[in-house]
Amino acid sequence: EAGVTQSPTHLIKTRGQQATLRCSPISGHTSVYWYQQALGLGLQFLLWYDEGEERNRGNFPPRFSGRQFPNYSSELNVNALELEDSALYLCASSWKTRSGETQYFGPGTRLLVL
Amino acid sequence: AQSVAQPEDQVNVAEGNPLTVKCTYSVSGNPYLFWYVQYPNRGLQFLLKYITGDNLVKGSYGFEAEFNKSQTSFHLKKPSALVSDSALYFCAVRDKGTGRRALTFGSGTRLQVQP
Repeated sequence: EAGVTQSPTHLIKTRGQQATLRCSPISGHTSVYWYQQALGLGLQFLLWYDEGEERNRGNFPPRFSGRQFPNYSSELNVNALELEDSALYLCASSWKTRSGETQYFGPGTRLLVL
Repeated sequence: AQSVAQPEDQVNVAEGNPLTVKCTYSVSGNPYLFWYVQYPNRGLQFLLKYITGDNLVKGSYGFEAEFNKSQTSFHLKKPSALVSDSALYFCAVRDKGTGRRALTFGSGTRLQVQP
């Protein structure tokens, strides 16, 4: 069974540009989560999508946005890039259960803002 | 609010010796607790989780963790460390009582196993 996939693996942008990151969940998973892993800041929750809708967002500005498509894949868009947006962006997916679903992570997209 | 503390930035252990990576948590209700491992330039790999029931949870690659409600701890253990266990380990928590699915992670502990 294929795991969570993310593209691209690396992305280089300049300040002020926009970045689009993509994620395909494990087959059968309906929830997708985005996390940012920045140096010195650890892993921080960005967004949660389920059944095509944004369910929850972390403490990030509105220039971080995204969407989930009917096939449950997801995009994360970061507008007006700033130098501090340089980080590893991790996508995770899960299946809804009653007993505390596990989030399975992809390999990440490393974004570098110059 | 929920939080996780991993008090050790790095743990060093000799191959074949037992290892412990510490984690304490804070949630307003009852927790779901997770351990993940991250190898260089890779995403997070799930090791084990505590949902309910038996306080001792067994996971992948011989790892286990003990849930201690009174001490609000969820330490990761392995009886005999391997050099290949060297990696970055993250503890994470989610409050059972909320509808939010976001995991809150600790700052990570780097495990170094010496041959």
